[in-house]
Amino acid sequence: KNQVEQSPQSLIILEGKNCTLQCNYTVSPFSNLRWYKQDTGRGPVSLTIMTFSENTKSNGRYTATLDADTKQSSLHITASQLSDSASYICVVSDRGSTLGRLYFGRGTQLTVWP
Amino acid sequence: EADIYQTPRYLVIGTGKKITLECSQTMGHDKMYWYQQDPGMELHLIHYSYGVNSTEKGDLSSESTVSRIRTEHFPLTLESARPSHTSQYLCASSGFPGRTPSGANVLTFGAGSRLTVL
Repeated sequence: KNQVEQSPQSLIILEGKNCTLQCNYTVSPFSNLRWYKQDTGRGPVSLTIMTFSENTKSNGRYTATLDADTKQSSLHITASQLSDSASYICVVSDRGSTLGRLYFGRGTQLTVWP
Repeated sequence: EADIYQTPRYLVIGTGKKITLECSQTMGHDKMYWYQQDPGMELHLIHYSYGVNSTEKGDLSSESTVSRIRTEHFPLTLESARPSHTSQYLCASSGFPGRTPSGANVLTFGAGSRLTVL
């Protein structure tokens, strides 16, 4: 069964600290993995997208890594800010169709305290 | 500025009412989607469209219906709302020029419509 599991379910950190969010998937075949940020009451916004040949990709203070062999990805946030408080969603796409079906994780709810 | 718009943002209605959630995008994307999201849960695809006059049901069974008469417009309709329809509904689109160098379709989401049926 194709699944995307994220951990932890929720996380609280102090402003300025770093944190790492995890995503494990069983989706096969694999096309790409995306990380989205979803602020409360808003739609998800794309942070990064990686194919199987990419090991790491950065977007400002956000750095995503991908290990296609172990089917794991992580999202590292450096020097957290209050505005980083949001849900971070891992999404995996397969190659089963022209569009590529998307499998969503339930997200990690990050709270940054001052 | 190219974007995707959803209205209304919040809607509280009584059981049995007919409602339409509007979704419009100005990016010229050919593909559009409707997702349903409950708190703490993953997004579930309920409808999608590859282009004008093309609509398909998604993975999650839904009593809602959609139409795609114009490229930029993808409204979702519930003929008779029930409390079980209470949820967040997210509209998204993808296609050129949103395609990455690897060819992957990147979804652009609207802000969502929060529906509460009493």
